[in-house]
Amino acid sequence: LAKTTQPISMDSYEGQEVNITCSHNNIATNDYITWYQQFPSQGPRFIIQGYKTKVTNEVASLFIPADRKSSTLSLPRVSLSDTAVYYCLVAGLDNYGQNFVFGPGTRLSVLP
Amino acid sequence: NAGVTQTPKFQVLKTGQSMTLQCAQDMNHNSMYWYRQDPGMGLRLIYYSASEGTTDKGEVPNGYNVSRLNKREFSLRLESAAPSQTSVYFCATWIGPGNQPQHFGDGTRLSIL
Repeated sequence: LAKTTQPISMDSYEGQEVNITCSHNNIATNDYITWYQQFPSQGPRFIIQGYKTKVTNEVASLFIPADRKSSTLSLPRVSLSDTAVYYCLVAGLDNYGQNFVFGPGTRLSVLP
Repeated sequence: NAGVTQTPKFQVLKTGQSMTLQCAQDMNHNSMYWYRQDPGMGLRLIYYSASEGTTDKGEVPNGYNVSRLNKREFSLRLESAAPSQTSVYFCATWIGPGNQPQHFGDGTRLSIL
């Protein structure tokens, strides 16, 4: 299983761009990188997923360098409602999904 | 479209009592999962079911049993609850191999006294 390492917590102010980096040194060739967001009293919710280079959707961007040993979730112009825990997962997707391993995540606090 | 529905949302048990947590999905996904989340920690996989009729142990299966009743439903049973099983339990589904994410319910908060 590809182990991931993220900062435990981050603080930001409203309107700033937030970048959360995840390290996954032993990522396998068939592994995708997926980021989830979790609010209190809710289940994790999918944000973005990528394999290499850059992926962008209406919520975030995901930057993956050529060696794929890390990835960076970028949240543009955060608001108070972006305060949540963010999880980085690395998992191969040619199996039955038994290796969806969640670490402790990064607790993002957005301050006014 | 409800997605993944977990019942109950909250429950308090006494040590030694038994209980079944229910999970139902309407997305026609093949795989279903049970996780537990303790305060300040990530989710840990208890059991999963890759497809209807199959179940397998995850990282922390001791003290739990599961049943994949049909494609829609996956239940988690605590036969003799212990205080160490106090946690928030999440059910998730996955459509199957390919680059699709898991979908989660909103959890069952279980306290065992």
